Amino acid sequence: EAAVTQSPRSKVAVTGGKVTLSCHQTNNHDYMYWYRQDTGHGLRLIHYSYVADSTEKGDIPDGYKASRPSQENFSLILELASLSQTAVYFCASSDYRVNQDTQYFGPGTRLLVL
Amino acid sequence: GEQVEQRPPHLSVREGDSAFITCTYTDPNSYYFFWYKQEPGASLQLLMKVFSSTEINEGQGFTVLLNKKDKRLSLNLTAAHPGDSAAYFCAVRGSALGRLHFGAGTQLIVIP
Repeated sequence: EAAVTQSPRSKVAVTGGKVTLSCHQTNNHDYMYWYRQDTGHGLRLIHYSYVADSTEKGDIPDGYKASRPSQENFSLILELASLSQTAVYFCASSDYRVNQDTQYFGPGTRLLVL
Repeated sequence: GEQVEQRPPHLSVREGDSAFITCTYTDPNSYYFFWYKQEPGASLQLLMKVFSSTEINEGQGFTVLLNKKDKRLSLNLTAAHPGDSAAYFCAVRGSALGRLHFGAGTQLIVIP
């Protein structure tokens, strides 16, 4: 079974502060993703990466940066956190060469911006 | 780009009844399709994946139907029980490598 972990699991941040969310996978997957989920809604893609040291913009990248320093690690950075960024953030990984590109999700990080 | 529409957004059924959820998509080149289950406060768990042209897959207490001609993906929970209460999301892998497009989700409540 694929393994994706996230830290922290929850965080309270102040408006204007910097927030870094971390994701680690042990699946040897090429692709990693960051999504946000707002209460009662689906997932929206923020950033993704298919190789270390490279990231791509997803559907809602404004206000977020991403970093992929290694195949296993993928971070999401909020340089100036805002109230509207309060949400649950999910990381996922996949490998298009196996498992029909199935994405495996981490447990999520609950972010509250005050 | 790919658009995925999921219906209904909310669904309440009595224990033992069926629950039917449908997604339609727009990209005719899509070929991998997924259903995920999300229990309250939890992450997304893969329920089933399908990728043949027209396919019926049966799992434990549910059936997934893919109709590529109509660009429609369905999930039918047969004889639903309270443990099925959760949010269900369809996801479609379109033409773009590695990208999944999610439906908005269906909040299912199974009433004992």
